[in-house]
Amino acid sequence: DQQVKQNSPSLSVQEGRISILNCDYTNSMFDYFLWYKKYPAEGPTFLISISSIKDKNEDGRFTVFLNKSAKHLSLHIVPSQPGDSAVYFCAASGKSNRDDKIIFGKGTRLHILP
Amino acid sequence: GAGVSQSPSNKVTEKGKDVELRCDPISGHTALYWYRQSLGQGLEFLIYFQGNSAPDKSGLPSDRFSAERTGGSVSTLTIQRTQQEDSAVYLCASSLVGIGGQETQYFGPGTRLLVL
Repeated sequence: DQQVKQNSPSLSVQEGRISILNCDYTNSMFDYFLWYKKYPAEGPTFLISISSIKDKNEDGRFTVFLNKSAKHLSLHIVPSQPGDSAVYFCAASGKSNRDDKIIFGKGTRLHILP
Repeated sequence: GAGVSQSPSNKVTEKGKDVELRCDPISGHTALYWYRQSLGQGLEFLIYFQGNSAPDKSGLPSDRFSAERTGGSVSTLTIQRTQQEDSAVYLCASSLVGIGGQETQYFGPGTRLLVL
């Protein structure tokens, strides 16, 4: 049973518009959430995170929103740029996990269209 | 180099053979993680090292999989008697202290394993 779900395998967005990537989780004990970005033939790189005590965290063009009641988080990228084309992994962790390891979703492939 | 490195970058092997994958973490990082990404799947946790010991081996899919870490640095993941379902990208990550999921993990580029 997947604890972190990214239901959209892919997403296409026009350059300059807003990209919204969604993520749902099932474990209410998760208290820390992360987004990683992965280019082909490279390992994932950390992008942004949010603690469950917050509902929003912003870093430049990237903002993560957390809705604990809905067990939902989203990553907003605005404005979207060609270099944002990548696979984005949502991840979660919490004290209820065995040894606090990170649980990753399956990823969403973002295509930024010219 | 400053980042996590993995070797080989690609490995093609025949079913039944053993393979060994290597990870060089960032110098000074005490925590090291192995993940696997199969086609169409997310990152599947395999094993976590704190120094040379592995407090969490829960993700290893079978007893054909083993890993070790020596000198608190290099780690090797060994797959014995490989099967076609072992084909995946094997990713290694390291973090400074290893305080669970609230510490940024730095990933290597991965080893792409293909079992024919």
